[in-house]
Amino acid sequence: GQQVMQIPQYQHVQEGEDFTTYCNSSTTLSNIQWYKQRPGGHPVFLIQLVKSGEVKKQKRLTFQFGEAKKNSSLHITATQTTDVGTYFCAEDTGTASKLTFGTGTRLQVTL
Amino acid sequence: EAQVTQNPRYLITVTGKKLTVTCSQNMNHEYMSWYRQDPGLGLRQIYYSMNVEVTDKGDVPEGYKVSRKEKRNFPLILESPSPNQTSLYFCASRWGQGKSEQYFGPGTRLTVT
Repeated sequence: GQQVMQIPQYQHVQEGEDFTTYCNSSTTLSNIQWYKQRPGGHPVFLIQLVKSGEVKKQKRLTFQFGEAKKNSSLHITATQTTDVGTYFCAEDTGTASKLTFGTGTRLQVTL
Repeated sequence: EAQVTQNPRYLITVTGKKLTVTCSQNMNHEYMSWYRQDPGLGLRQIYYSMNVEVTDKGDVPEGYKVSRKEKRNFPLILESPSPNQTSLYFCASRWGQGKSEQYFGPGTRLTVT
């Protein structure tokens, strides 16, 4: 099946440092969604990117969709302890109910 | 409040003892899915349903059954659970075809001994 690779698997930063997670596919993505899962919680939708080269911002979070629609990134500026959790990208095939998730990047933020 | 509910939240059972995890959504969503989450493997889809009486296999369907008799409910059935089905399970729902966010339930942590 479709493989969506996500790197890194884990990152530990100090509060105030920036953080980026990358999502890569071997094929062209229809669109990409990003989710955040807090420790002990469930995934919560953050955003969806549809267009080639699209960039969207949510406060300190910046989401990008590659020009070739084969990769995406989530960048957090000046991390805070509230950013702790696992970030997943997910490809939406646009058919049926198929969302293929990346393996996730676990972010740990310390003071 | 729009939500997806699952029960039970925690379950410890023994090999071979049939169990059902219930899932219900109050958003009139057409699409519902079940995922399992395991360390290092992310979220893998078990089964999904596009509407009442329409279900299909996801990536890891072996050992699981589902049914969709009503739009709001999508139970996950383990007829004969085995230890390799010990996992964290999430039910999810979304609107019609494509390009819509998915709402997840709170999760069910299942341990099979």
